[in-house]
Amino acid sequence: GAGVSQSPSNKVTEKGKDVELRCDPISGHTALYWYRQSLGQGLEFLIYFQGNSAPDKSGLPSDRFSAERTGGSVSTLTIQRTQQEDSAVYLCASSSTATVYNEQFFGPGTRLTVL
Amino acid sequence: KQEVTQIPAALSVPEGENLVLNCSFTDSAIYNLQWFRQDPGKGLTSLLLIQSSQREQTSGRLNASLDKSSGRSTLYIAASQPGDSATYLCATVAGSGNTPLVFGKGTRLSVIA
Repeated sequence: GAGVSQSPSNKVTEKGKDVELRCDPISGHTALYWYRQSLGQGLEFLIYFQGNSAPDKSGLPSDRFSAERTGGSVSTLTIQRTQQEDSAVYLCASSSTATVYNEQFFGPGTRLTVL
Repeated sequence: KQEVTQIPAALSVPEGENLVLNCSFTDSAIYNLQWFRQDPGKGLTSLLLIQSSQREQTSGRLNASLDKSSGRSTLYIAASQPGDSATYLCATVAGSGNTPLVFGKGTRLSVIA
């Protein structure tokens, strides 16, 4: 596709359940980022993948959060035992290191609501 | 640790007015700075990207400037329109460029017809 896509667009789950969020980056982009946007908190970095390098997990808020990127393309963010404070919009972005700009392009996000 | 601040948090202006949104950052060792637009319930749309070696970028009615030494960037919107109403976010990338964005909390702009 032409842009970054994410699925589902909305997810409602019950506290304690696990959820998986998916991101399809722009074809050929080697860098992929996950961010979270919480009400009143602004956008915060979660995890970053660059090619085959080990991911930068420094932004993950707890060990309930994990992410993987298969084949250098699609990424899945998994939240285990969801809590109400996990409710937020989860945004994915990708960029190409083939240009000097490293401009990040964002998907539409997944709105997660934990009841 | 980089901190990005945007002032004002909210702004309401009549249609046709020129306006300036401000962004400041604490660490001047940035690789680039991006301005984004976010409509309610939507993702982020990149408006302008300024490399650390550049002083400004222009796209249509938008002009973004960068002063690294003072840790400031401004987004100038000329002849504002109701369709410009959105939240505008400023974000910086540090070091080599292959690092996450650090965002400000945004300026919520309302342009009144």
